[in-house]
This record gives sequence, C-alpha cells and structure tokens, in this order.
Amino acid sequence: GQNIDQPTEMTATEGAIVQINCTYQTSGFNGLFWYQQHAGEAPTFLSYNVLDGLEEKGRFSSFLSRSKGYSYLLLKELQMKDSASYLCAPMDSNYQLIWGAGTKLIIKP
Amino acid sequence: GAVVSQHPSRVICKSGTSVKIECRSLDFQATTMFWYRQFPKKSLMLMATSNEGSKATYEQGVEKDKFLINHASLTLSTLTVTSAHPEDSSFYICSARVVGIDWAQYFGPGTRLLVL
Repeated sequence: GQNIDQPTEMTATEGAIVQINCTYQTSGFNGLFWYQQHAGEAPTFLSYNVLDGLEEKGRFSSFLSRSKGYSYLLLKELQMKDSASYLCAPMDSNYQLIWGAGTKLIIKP
Repeated sequence: GAVVSQHPSRVICKSGTSVKIECRSLDFQATTMFWYRQFPKKSLMLMATSNEGSKATYEQGVEKDKFLINHASLTLSTLTVTSAHPEDSSFYICSARVVGIDWAQYFGPGTRLLVL
C-alpha cells in the first residue's frame, strides 16, 4: 500500500530553525512535493525533489533520499506567518500525488 | 505565474439544489485538472482527475452522477454538485498541472460549500 508518515504537530520559536521529516512508501516514485497550507486556505507549492540531495530555496530547503524513502523540509529564520500545515506528497508511478494529513507547525514568539 | 482561480469562493444553498464551481488556470494551459475535497483537519481527498476533452476519472467511492466534472478547455474545468445535501458541505479545491514544465499541482483558493 501507499503510506506517508509525518509528525502530527510541531512547535518552534520565532527566528529558529525547524526540520519536518517525512517517510513514505509508494507504488513507484516520480518525485516528492512539499506544500504549505494555512488554516482555511488551499495548499501552495513549496518544492519538488526528484533526485537525492538538498534543494535550497530562500528560507526553505528540502531534502530527499530515495533509497531510504525519506524527505525533510527545513525552515530557517522562522516567522509567525510560517505557522501552517506542511504537506509531504510523493508522486507515484501514475504521477498521482499521495496526500497525508500533514504536519501542523506552531510558531511561538 | 501558475495562478489558478476558483469561483465562487463561498456558497450557501438549500438541500436539493445544484451548485457549479469553476476552476480556471489564468496564465498557463493545463491538460490535467484535479478536484479535491477536504474536511476540517483532514487530509486532501482526491475526487477526480480531469483531462481536457475527455471524461473525468473518478476515485473509488465518488459518485460520478452526483459530482459532474467538465473540462471543456485547457484553462477551464467545472465541478457541479447535483442535488446537494448537508453531507456534501465541505471545502472543495481544484488544482491544475502545468503542461510540459513540471509535475507540480497549483491550487485554486478553494470553494467553501454549505448545504442547509
């Protein structure tokens, strides 16, 4: 079956760094996406990794290890507006995104 | 770039009526559009995948006669909830995939449906 495992909730302090881990099992693999979803809003695209390694994009970086079925999203210099849910979504052999419940990130002053 | 609009953003209707939701890709052509629904604090649930000019592919358990999807052009897909009932109340979100550039899905802002 297809499965995604992320922590349900994490708390971090404004200005700090936080790493959100994701492990996955899919039928085939064509890359992995990270999305941000604020409460009551639709998801917004953050990153896409298809090869192993780290992709950096401003304050956000995403890492992928295909052999381990593992990814993480690293958020630096946290701001209050980063409080949101973060969705790890691998793409299977049919190019369909597999969605989990995501990680709710709470930023405290 | 990659902007998707959705209309209406919010709708309240009486039980038994039909509601149409429009999804448009504003600055790109999307051969594939997706329709999701999401209940509070739950994960996105894919309802159907819509390819331009062909019939939508519905996920298991989604009634195709109740949720009518039309994808008439590369920039427009519509979802019609027919004979809506209170249990259809949910957050409906569309997304569109960019042709030939990447595999990312870009989401519209969503439509909050309340059926009384």
